[in-house]
Amino acid sequence: GNSVTQMEGPVTLSEEAFLTINCTYTATGYPSLFWYVQYPGEGLQLLLKATKADDKGSNKGFEATYRKETTSFHLEKGSVQVSDSAVYFCALRGSTLGRLYFGRGTQLTVWP
Amino acid sequence: GAGVSQSPRYKVAKRGQDVALRCDPISGHVSLFWYQQALGQGPEFLTYFQNEAQLDKSGLPSDRFFAERPEGSVSTLKIQRTQQEDSAVYLCASSQGIESYEQYFGPGTRLTVT
Repeated sequence: GNSVTQMEGPVTLSEEAFLTINCTYTATGYPSLFWYVQYPGEGLQLLLKATKADDKGSNKGFEATYRKETTSFHLEKGSVQVSDSAVYFCALRGSTLGRLYFGRGTQLTVWP
Repeated sequence: GAGVSQSPRYKVAKRGQDVALRCDPISGHVSLFWYQQALGQGPEFLTYFQNEAQLDKSGLPSDRFFAERPEGSVSTLKIQRTQQEDSAVYLCASSQGIESYEQYFGPGTRLTVT
């Protein structure tokens, strides 16, 4: 079946620190992989995606590479800002009708 | 343009009451999804519509949960005889196409069953 395992939080960093949030997955077929972000008081927003192995998704300084050999899609950012404080969800979409499978979410807090 | 909207934003129900949660997707979006997000967890799939057809309801946790989208636009998720374990945020998402399109999420309805 399909599932996502995500690094547990919370993660607390100082501004300009390097961020990694680990995500691994189990899937049948050839899934697409996503990172969603939920800012305080707002709905889920797509941050980045990758649809096939070795693709790199990137947006707002965040990156993640679809690694089929390690079934991973780790989220990275070289220099975090206070405004990046949010909950981050790793997700996959299998081949069935577009439903998403989410990880538990990782709370990130960035201090000035 | 307008995004996905949901109403009410907050709902408190006494155990045993019926509730109805509404989702207004982005105009013209074919696909509509409902997810349930318990506190501290990621969203869990409930059901999926393609236009007015409910093509997947495998995530509905019991027969107390019912969803409809009669005209292929607005959708309603109904929960009968609410239980405390139904307390969660209910998220609606819509997408332009069937499989390969981005899902846009609404702000959610927070349901608290007392």
